[in-house]
Amino acid sequence: EDQVTQSPEALRLQEGESSSLNCSYTVSGLRGLFWYRQDPGKGPEFLFTLYSAGEEKEKERLKATLTKKESFLHITAPKPEDSATYLCAVQRGSGNTGKLIFGQGTTLQVKP
Amino acid sequence: DVKVTQSSRYLVKRTGEKVFLECVQDMDHENMFWYRQDPGLGLRLIYFSYDVKMKEKGDIPEGYSVSREKKERFSLILESASTNQTSMYLCASRPGTGIPSGANVLTFGAGSRLTVL
Repeated sequence: EDQVTQSPEALRLQEGESSSLNCSYTVSGLRGLFWYRQDPGKGPEFLFTLYSAGEEKEKERLKATLTKKESFLHITAPKPEDSATYLCAVQRGSGNTGKLIFGQGTTLQVKP
Repeated sequence: DVKVTQSSRYLVKRTGEKVFLECVQDMDHENMFWYRQDPGLGLRLIYFSYDVKMKEKGDIPEGYSVSREKKERFSLILESASTNQTSMYLCASRPGTGIPSGANVLTFGAGSRLTVL
């Protein structure tokens, strides 16, 4: 069965304290792995797409990496404005039939 | 910027009522989706549509139906609301075929929080 599991469920960091969020997946025919950020009361916003093992993407303090079984979202020297829920999703199938399976999310709180 | 607009941010309905959730996107996207989001369960796909008048069941379609009469509008219908349908509902759209894979990502609306009493 296709599945996406994120850990930890919640993470509290001090400002400047780097850490990583994990997304483990089992899916047949991976067509892409996506990271989204969701602020309270808002819809998820797209961050990154990764397609193949070894691929990395960076944006400001965030860096996403991908292996054959998991993805990490590394947060370097986080700031309070990085506080949000981070969602991971995998796409199975391509084109118009490609559906996303989401993990439960990791809620990050960064304290000043 | 792509915008996905959900008409109602907060709704309170009674058990057995018919509920309509409306979603409009302004970037000519082919694909549209309805998800529900619940604590500990993440986002689960209810229905999606890859073209006008086309629809396909997602992972949890029971108790829901959808309508897509125009390309920009995708409606979620709860024929007879029940308390277990209390949730956050998220609409999303994406371009569809013919778009480079890197651009084929979902854009979400702000969500509609439905409470069924």
